[in-house]
Amino acid sequence: DAGVIQSPRHEVTEMGQEVTLRCKPISGHNSLFWYRQTMMRGLELLIYFNNNVPIDDSGMPEDRFSAKMPNASFSTLKIQPSEPRDSAVYFCASSLFHQLSSYEQYFGPGTRLTVT
Amino acid sequence: QQQVKQSPQSLIVQKGGISIINCAYENTAFDYFPWYQQFPGKGPALLIAIRPDVSEKKEGRFTISFNKSAKQFSLHIMDSQPGDSATYFCAASISGSARQLTFGSGTQLTVLP
Repeated sequence: DAGVIQSPRHEVTEMGQEVTLRCKPISGHNSLFWYRQTMMRGLELLIYFNNNVPIDDSGMPEDRFSAKMPNASFSTLKIQPSEPRDSAVYFCASSLFHQLSSYEQYFGPGTRLTVT
Repeated sequence: QQQVKQSPQSLIVQKGGISIINCAYENTAFDYFPWYQQFPGKGPALLIAIRPDVSEKKEGRFTISFNKSAKQFSLHIMDSQPGDSATYFCAASISGSARQLTFGSGTQLTVLP
């Protein structure tokens, strides 16, 4: 089975440009998470969805960030306009939420974003 | 605040030695404590996890020790190997709508050959 798929793997853009990161969760999973990883702040949860509905977006740093999950197999994280401080590795993770299920989150390979 | 404090930030161990990474938490509502392993250029992957009803869990060379009264848990890697060199994250979660994980800051482990 394919794991969590993220695209692009690397993105270099100029300040002010719009950036869209994409994620395809593991088939059958009903929870999806977006994380940001930097040396300074470690792994930060930005937002998570349950059954395609955003549950908690308190980690989204600013209004420049937005996330959508139009269906169970696709999610996007958009930054508009991008700034150099947004440079980080962005991870998408998915899990199967059920009262009796494991808590494991499966991470994708990440998108390394560089904003110049 | 839901925090998980992890130490040390980096660790260098000789091949065959024991690697020990510690984490402490504040929120007594946490009921699931996983450890994730991350290799360069990859996403974190679940290594081993424990629930607070047991004090220890062992899987191969990896052991989690859990001290509920002290609100601490640790990862022990026995007979450390160069292939174990990676960044390790502890995490904690509360039962609820999607098992949101709070991660520690990570420990970069280097095992020397």
